[in-house]
Amino acid sequence: AQTVTQSQPEMSVQEAETVTLSCTYDTSESDYYLFWYKQPPSRQMILVIRQEAYKQQNATENRFSVNFQKAAKSFSLKISDSQLGDAAMYFCAYRSGDSNYQLIWGAGTKLIIKP
Amino acid sequence: DTGVSQNPRHKITKRGQNVTFRCDPISEHNRLYWYRQTLGQGPEFLTYFQNEAQLEKSRLLSDRFSAERPKGSFSTLEIQRTEQGDSAMYLCASSLMAGGAGELFFGEGSRLTVL
Repeated sequence: AQTVTQSQPEMSVQEAETVTLSCTYDTSESDYYLFWYKQPPSRQMILVIRQEAYKQQNATENRFSVNFQKAAKSFSLKISDSQLGDAAMYFCAYRSGDSNYQLIWGAGTKLIIKP
Repeated sequence: DTGVSQNPRHKITKRGQNVTFRCDPISEHNRLYWYRQTLGQGPEFLTYFQNEAQLEKSRLLSDRFSAERPKGSFSTLEIQRTEQGDSAMYLCASSLMAGGAGELFFGEGSRLTVL
C-alpha cells in the first residue's frame, strides 16, 4: 500500500524568506500523481501545485515550486518570498495512476510565517 | 458559483444522537467526495459519488454512516447513534475530472463535536 510521510509537523520562516517542506512517499507504481494542498485556518483546502510522475520537469506555480526526485520518492515544496498569507497547514498527497478517486494524504506540516 | 458549500459548519451533539451534514458541490462537478479529518492528521477518505451513484466506500464508513446524493446534485452524510470517536471535521470535495491530475475543490468543512 502506498504511504505519504511528512516528517516536519511544523516549520517557521521569516517573511520574504524561502522555506522548503518535505514529503516522501512509498509506492511500487510507476504511474502516479503528487499534489500539495494548503489549508489555511478555518478555510477550505486548496490546491497549490501538482506533479505528474511521468514528467521530469519540476512543476512551478509563481512562488511555489517542487523538487520531484522520483528515484528517491521525494516531493518537496519550496515557497519563495514567503508571505503572511502563506501561513497554513500544507498537505502532500498521492494518487495512483489507475485510481479515479483515492488520494493518500500525509499528516501535514504547519507553516508559520514570522513578520 | 462560489464553490463547495457545507452546512452546518459546526455541530455539537450528545452521544447517541443522529446528525446530518449537507454538501453542495460546484454545479458542473459530477464527482463528489467525503473525507474525515482529525486534528493533526490529513483527510481520510470516506466515500465517493459519480453523479448519484456511490461508487466507493471506505471501511471507515461503518453501518452508522450513510451518504446519499439524490439526483446527482447535493449530498448528505448522516451519522446515526453518534459516538465520541466520531468527533472530527467532515470535508466534502467535488471535481470535474476523475483521477489523474484532477484537482479536488473542498468546502470549508463541518466540524462535529460529540459530547
